[in-house]
Amino acid sequence: GAVVSQHPSRVICKSGTSVKIECRSLDFQATTMFWYRQFPKQSLMLMATSNEGSKATYEQGVEKDKFLINHASLTLSTLTVTSAHPEDSSFYICSARDQGLRTDTQYFGPGTRLTVL
Amino acid sequence: GENVEQHPSTLSVQEGDSAVIKCTYSDSASNYFPWYKQELGKGPQLIIDIRSNVGEKKDQRIAVTLNKTAKHFSLHITETQPEDSAVYFCAASITGTASKLTFGTGTRLQVTL
Repeated sequence: GAVVSQHPSRVICKSGTSVKIECRSLDFQATTMFWYRQFPKQSLMLMATSNEGSKATYEQGVEKDKFLINHASLTLSTLTVTSAHPEDSSFYICSARDQGLRTDTQYFGPGTRLTVL
Repeated sequence: GENVEQHPSTLSVQEGDSAVIKCTYSDSASNYFPWYKQELGKGPQLIIDIRSNVGEKKDQRIAVTLNKTAKHFSLHITETQPEDSAVYFCAASITGTASKLTFGTGTRLQVTL
């Protein structure tokens, strides 16, 4: 299957700082990427849909000013957690949509573990 | 919106036995049903998917069945191995409309020796 990478895999930061997470589709172009958040032993919660060249679409209850999303190219989307607080600690996972003539599939990155002290 | 229910939440089988995980969905417009395997500390990995124009799909030890009338789909793993131990998520979406996935709550599969 297609490959999606995330960087960093793990980050620890102090409360009040901002953290940027990168999501890259390595062998296909993705006009659409998704950002999820996952708490321990829970399912994936969609935070936002990232669209190349346009503004992201946020799910209800997700603060767009806190979770900044930029999708500047067909292979890269970034999520910036601004002014992070301990309650933002979580596992953040991106996915990229591989959409072609005969396919429409989401491939996930390996995730980023964020710990805010 | 779409709602996906998944059962069981935990499943323990002996190595070599079969495992079945079931999901139901609410939106009859959903037409794409992927299954993901997630190992501890990793992102979900697509293992098989099925679209609404077929009723069954198989890939080696893994198979998925879809009943559109009843709005449910199932994952079947035969000849389970210890490395099959993981959390499995089903999902549903409507392709062509940004393809947002709605996930089930997950099934923790434990394959014992």
